[in-house]
Amino acid sequence: SQKIEQNSEALNIQEGKTATLTCNYTNYSPAYLQWYRQDPGRGPVFLLLIRENEKEKRKERLKVTFDTTLKQSLFHITASQPADSATYLCALESAGNMLTFGGGTRLMVKP
Amino acid sequence: DVKVTQSSRYLVKRTGEKVFLECVQDMDHENMFWYRQDPGLGLRLIYFSYDVKMKEKGDIPEGYSVSREKKERFSLILESASTNQTSMYLCASTKPLGAEAFFGQGTRLTVV
Repeated sequence: SQKIEQNSEALNIQEGKTATLTCNYTNYSPAYLQWYRQDPGRGPVFLLLIRENEKEKRKERLKVTFDTTLKQSLFHITASQPADSATYLCALESAGNMLTFGGGTRLMVKP
Repeated sequence: DVKVTQSSRYLVKRTGEKVFLECVQDMDHENMFWYRQDPGLGLRLIYFSYDVKMKEKGDIPEGYSVSREKKERFSLILESASTNQTSMYLCASTKPLGAEAFFGQGTRLTVV
């Protein structure tokens, strides 16, 4: 069956360090992979999209990698700040346009 | 400012009631989605629509139906609400293929 797995345990890091979150998937051939941020009580907000033929994408302090051989994406936040504390979700979009999400990983950045 | 608007922020319904959750987007997006979100389970796709009157089942369609009569509006229907449908419901819309999804503010539904 199709699965998108993110670490369900919260990730606690110190301010200024790099946070690395993982998204693994099985039985998918995604055309695109996306990352979202979600704050409590709110809908997810789009951060970055990476295509299947791209290895890496950057936006300010954010970096996403996409390895279709390993079936894995890594999401990095450099120079993390307490304001980065949130739940981060990865989502896969298949050729049929359906957008499916992983369970999310909660990030806590401590001052 | 682009918007996806869900009709209610909080809703309390009784077991067995028919419940309508409405979602409207003003971005002329082809794709619209309904998800439910429960602690520890992430966002689970209920139904997806890629055009007016077109729909596809997601991972958990049982107990739900949808309606898309106009491009901007996508309704989620709980035919006979049950307590296990108590959840946060999120609507989203996108353009096709490789576009960001815009989410509504969510509807927290409680079935008593």
